[in-house]
Amino acid sequence: KQEVTQIPAALSVPEGENLVLNCSFTDSAIYNLQWFRQDPGKGLTSLLLIQSSQREQTSGRLNASLDKSSGRSTLYIAASQPGDSATYLCATISGAGSYQLTFGKGTKLSVIP
Amino acid sequence: NAGVTQTPKFQVLKTGQSMTLQCAQDMNHEYMSWYRQDPGMGLRLIHYSVGAGITDQGEVPNGYNVSRSTTEDFPLRLLSAAPSQTSVYFCASSFVGQGQAFFGQGTRLTVV
Repeated sequence: KQEVTQIPAALSVPEGENLVLNCSFTDSAIYNLQWFRQDPGKGLTSLLLIQSSQREQTSGRLNASLDKSSGRSTLYIAASQPGDSATYLCATISGAGSYQLTFGKGTKLSVIP
Repeated sequence: NAGVTQTPKFQVLKTGQSMTLQCAQDMNHEYMSWYRQDPGMGLRLIHYSVGAGITDQGEVPNGYNVSRSTTEDFPLRLLSAAPSQTSVYFCASSFVGQGQAFFGQGTRLTVV
C-alpha cells in the first residue's frame, strides 16, 4: 500500500524567503505526482502535475521535482509572499486502471509579512 | 467554466437519515472519484469510476453507495448516516491516462 509522507507538517518563514517542501512515497511505481494547495475551508487547487517520465515542472515561482527511484518529490517556492500561506498537499497517482490519488497529510505554510 | 461542482456546500443530518451528495463536471472527464478529509487522517478515497456504468471501491467505502449513469454526474449516497461520517467530502475528476485531478469545493457534512 502506498504511503505518502510530507515533512515538515508546518513551516513559518519571513516574506521573500525561498523554501522547499518535501514529499516522500514508499512505492515508486507511480503514474504521476501532483501538488495541490488548500486554503482554509476551501477545496484543492492543482499547482503542478509531474508525469512519471519527467524530472520537474515549473509554473511561475513554483518548481516541482520528482525522483521516482528514491521516492521523493520537492516543491520549491521562490520569493515567498503572504498570499502563499496555505496547506500544500502532494499526491501520488497510481496507474493500472484505478488512478487513485494517495495523499500526504500536508505542510501548513505561513509566510510572515 | 464551472469545472467540478458539488452540492450542497453544508449539510447537517441526524443519525440514520439518508442523503445524496451531488457532483457534476463539465470537462468530459472519464474518471471521477469521492474523497473524505478528516483531521489527522488526510484525504482518503471512498469510491471511484472510470466511466459511465463502471464504479469501484476505494479505501473507505463502507456506508456509501455510488452510481455513474452519465459521464457528467457521480452522486454519493449515504444510506443511514452515522456520526463517524462527519467529514468534508470532495469530488474529483480527470482524464484517464493523463491523471491531473480537478477538485470541487467540498461538502461539509455533520451527523448528529
